Formats: sequence, C-alpha cells, structure tokens
Amino acid sequence: SYELIQPPSVSVSPGQTANITCSGDKLGDKYACWYQQKPGQSPVLVIYQDNKRPSGIPERFSGSNSGNTATLTISGTQAMDEADYYCQAWDSTTGVFGTGTKVTVL
Amino acid sequence: EVQLLESGGGLVQPGGSLRLSCAASGFTFSSYAMSWVRQAPGKGLEWVSVISGSGGVTYYADSVKGRFTISRDNSKNTLYLQMNSLRAEDTAVYYCAKEAVVLVVTDSPFDYWGQGTLVTVSS
Repeated sequence: SYELIQPPSVSVSPGQTANITCSGDKLGDKYACWYQQKPGQSPVLVIYQDNKRPSGIPERFSGSNSGNTATLTISGTQAMDEADYYCQAWDSTTGVFGTGTKVTVL
Repeated sequence: EVQLLESGGGLVQPGGSLRLSCAASGFTFSSYAMSWVRQAPGKGLEWVSVISGSGGVTYYADSVKGRFTISRDNSKNTLYLQMNSLRAEDTAVYYCAKEAVVLVVTDSPFDYWGQGTLVTVSS
C-alpha cells in the first residue's frame, strides 16, 4: 500500500522558517495537500494542489511538490503555528495521509 | 456557512455494530463527495472511506473493507457509516469531511471537517 512519510517533529524559533517534508513514491505525480491540527480540534486545510492556499490561510504558508517529496514551508513562524501537520494525497481510489509532524515553536 | 455535525459514537463491544451519521448544511450536499477519516487516540489521521455525490461510487481502506459501509441520503443531507464486526483497533474519533472539488470522487482535498465523534470498542 502507498505510504507517505513525514519527520515526527520539527522545531523552529519564532520568526524563522519551518520546512516539513512528506515523502512518497512518485509523489510529484500526484496532488499533495496539507492539514494543520491543533490539540482537541479538527484538521484545517492549509495547502491544496501542491501550492495553493485556501481563503483565510496566511501567506506565510506555502508548498511545493516534486519527485518523491512534497514540502510545506512556514515562513516567519508564529507561536500560533504550533500544531501537528499532515500531508495527504490520493493513490488512485485510496486516500492516504502522512505520518504527521509535530511543529514546536521554541 | 458549511457545517458538518457527526453523531452516533459511543462504547461498543468487540464484534458489535454502530452507525455514525453526519448532518451537513450550508452547501449543495449532493454535488460533493464525502469521506470518513478517523484518528485513534494520540495517533495520526487515517482515511476510511469515500462516497460520490450521487452515492453510486464508494471506496474503502483495506482496514475496513467488508466490515464498514458508507452511504448517504441526499434528501436528508446526511452521510452515514455503518460499522460492523468492530475491533479494538477501530477505536478512534471519526470525522466526516467534505471534498473541495465539485463532482469529483477522489483526487480532491478535504476543505471542511466535522468536530468528530468518538467510537470506543472495548469489553
């Protein structure tokens, strides 16, 4: 079955840039999206179709996808960005989520 | 405003059954595929199943195939998940999620999520 692998954790200082990777076989041939989930809350879509931001998502969130890796970049990270982040793609008729990355803003 | 409200969760014994519901409002329900996604306590997200807007096309994760059935009643704007032969590993918060792209079954992100309903499988 198709797998999407993310680093378990990423630490970043306020104002700095956080890069979260998502690795999967030929992931660049698929659309990748990213969700943010804060404790006790439902996931929120922050990036779709590799690099598009839904309405209301700050410009500091951006994405890319090429080869076997999709990347979510948070520029000028703020304390409010501390959360779990999940990548997601479709492998034919199956939805697949990444393993998740906890972003800590130190 | 799009709203998704799940219900039907609870405590059930192994081998038992449960039916979850997701009441939708604020959009043309029949035009969008809907999915169920679950999250075991302290774990990551796991996609469970998707159903097309008409209800005629369904897909399942291997982990639930043959035990779970997704359905919808477009006249009631409601999504369902019938869960049979439940196992301890099915314990999770179950979310319903709306796909963002109209008339597409797969290859679409989930733009709205419900608040989730907890299913606990234990004796």
